[in-house]
Amino acid sequence: QVQLVESGGGVVQPGGSLRLSCVASGFTFNYYGMHWVRQAPGKGLEWVAVISFDGSKKNYADSVKGRFTISRDKSSNTLYLQMNSLRGEDTAVYYCAKDEFPNCGGDCYWPFDNWGQGTLVTVSS
Amino acid sequence: DIVMTQSPDSLAVSLGERATINCKSSQSVLNGSNNKNYLAWYQQKSGQPPKLLIYWASTRESGVPDRFSGSGSGTDFTLTISSLQAEDVAIYYCQQFYNTPITFGQGTRLEIK
Repeated sequence: QVQLVESGGGVVQPGGSLRLSCVASGFTFNYYGMHWVRQAPGKGLEWVAVISFDGSKKNYADSVKGRFTISRDKSSNTLYLQMNSLRGEDTAVYYCAKDEFPNCGGDCYWPFDNWGQGTLVTVSS
Repeated sequence: DIVMTQSPDSLAVSLGERATINCKSSQSVLNGSNNKNYLAWYQQKSGQPPKLLIYWASTRESGVPDRFSGSGSGTDFTLTISSLQAEDVAIYYCQQFYNTPITFGQGTRLEIK
């Protein structure tokens, strides 16, 4: 069965950096686009970034563009989110999510059929 | 950006009764080349990640009970739970995946009356 396991969350000061990881199993990782979605405490869902199945295309929400970088490593079936210049408003649970169908992400999009349990990022001094 | 607006924000329905949640997009999410609406519905129970219920506006995800159904096209969509069960208490979100930024509605909290 599909499993997505996030890690790397924690408490960081404003202006700091953090790298989140999402280890995928149970499916052919390099066939599927992958996303990061976040949820601030008590709030709704906010899409953060997508990377295409082959890593060639990436898109970001305006709120994180220039500060966050999405990447993937097919040798370890791992999705990453490098977060720099963190702000208080980045405080959230960060989920990784998998495209329902293969061969997209970046210029075509599918619904998200599997989500990880999330990792909490708290930006606070 | 496509803005997704759900109504109502919260809803209380008796067990066994019908629940209806609406979602409106600020522009059409109908892809004219394949005639599919790039609209999905998710269920999020307390302390859990979201779960995909419906995509293409009306296609039920595998394993989702048939009391859940989706309808609509273009800019106006509806999620219907035909006979509410206790386990359906959750927050429901619509999502457009027509283009980026991918956007979600603000959520509708469903409770038992």
